Amino acid sequence: AQSVTQPDIHITVSEGASLELRCNYSYGATPYLFWYVQSPGQGLQLLLKYFSGDTLVQGIKGFEAEFKRSQSSFNLRKPSVHWSDAAEYFCAVVLTNFGNEKLTFGTGTRLTIIP
Amino acid sequence: GAGVSQSPSNKVTEKGKDVELRCDPISGHTALYWYRQRLGQGLEFLIYFQGNSAPDKSGLPSDRFSAERTGESVSTLTIQRTQQEDSAVYLCASSPRTGYNEQFFGPGTRLTVL
Repeated sequence: AQSVTQPDIHITVSEGASLELRCNYSYGATPYLFWYVQSPGQGLQLLLKYFSGDTLVQGIKGFEAEFKRSQSSFNLRKPSVHWSDAAEYFCAVVLTNFGNEKLTFGTGTRLTIIP
Repeated sequence: GAGVSQSPSNKVTEKGKDVELRCDPISGHTALYWYRQRLGQGLEFLIYFQGNSAPDKSGLPSDRFSAERTGESVSTLTIQRTQQEDSAVYLCASSPRTGYNEQFFGPGTRLTVL
């Protein structure tokens, strides 16, 4: 069965520092890949997605992610974090056989920003 | 335009009672999904609707859980004889059509079973 692993449960970074959140997936083929953010009291918002093509994808709020097939990874990065980036981040995949389009999520990484 | 809405936003119930959770998808979205988020865990898929049919119910955890959808509109998730382990945030998402599109999430319903 496909699975998504986010090995870091909680990360703390200083405001202005760079950020990388890790995501690995287990699946025989390349799924569609997503990063979502969930701020306190708010719903999930899509940051970015990868379907095919350029393996470095740009998203909203200055985030980017790089798909590495050899490592089955899709890590999220941001060069300089802002206090407003404090939230829970979820990596997710969708199997690429249409008709079974449920998202499979990782367990999330909670990001804390310190001054 | 209006996003996905869910009601109620919070529901507290006693063990053994039945609850109904409602989802209003974005108008025109044919696909609708229910997910569950238990404390400290990621989201778990429950059920997927395409129109008013449910081709994938594989995530429903037990026969106490059921869902229906009226046309390409409102969906209701029903939990019968609630248990404490049903306590979670239930999230609904919709997307415009199959062939994969972004899922737009509602704010969720927080269910607490005492």
